[in-house]
Amino acid sequence: DVKVTQSSRYLVKRTGEKVFLECVQDMDHENMFWYRQDPGLGLRLIYFSYDVKMKEKGDIPEGYSVSREKKERFSLILESASTNQTSMYLCASSLLLGSQPQHFGDGTRLSIL
Amino acid sequence: SQQGEEDPQALSIQEGENATMNCSYKTSINNLQWYRQNSGRGLVHLILIRSNEREKHSGRLRVTLDTSKKSSSLLITASRAADTASYFCATAGGSNYKLTFGKGTLLTVNP
Repeated sequence: DVKVTQSSRYLVKRTGEKVFLECVQDMDHENMFWYRQDPGLGLRLIYFSYDVKMKEKGDIPEGYSVSREKKERFSLILESASTNQTSMYLCASSLLLGSQPQHFGDGTRLSIL
Repeated sequence: SQQGEEDPQALSIQEGENATMNCSYKTSINNLQWYRQNSGRGLVHLILIRSNEREKHSGRLRVTLDTSKKSSSLLITASRAADTASYFCATAGGSNYKLTFGKGTLLTVNP
């Protein structure tokens, strides 16, 4: 089975801090994704990556950046955390874009105080 | 904008009953996927149905797809308390890479 591991289940940070969320997958998938999930808004795509060092913006990239230096690891960076970035963050990976299932980690619930 | 929209938003049934959830979408798709999310956890993929398929089964799950009506349904038969979760449909369309998720149906199965 595919395993997608997010480094923290819960994280509390302060406004203005630079925050790193890490995600690792063990199935040699080309594609990795970062979503945020908010009540009433569902899942929204922040960024995705289709290869090492390659990335594309999703629906809500503002205030975020990503890094993919190795195939198995995809990091989400909050450059200067703000309270409106308090959310559940979900990482996913897939073998093929769009035509194959995405495999999700358990999520990181991030609180910005 | 959200592509898939689930209906109902919430559903409460007794153990042993069947649960049906619906998903409507707006534009043409390549495939439609259903996911389950237990409270506080990540999403788990349940089933993928391609645009040229009409029905698909997996264990107690049955998914139908009607591309003329731009709708899909997920049927869970003989539900169990462990089926309590949120269920999301997600569509993959012409852009090919992006899955667009609906807001989900919260299913509660009472023992």
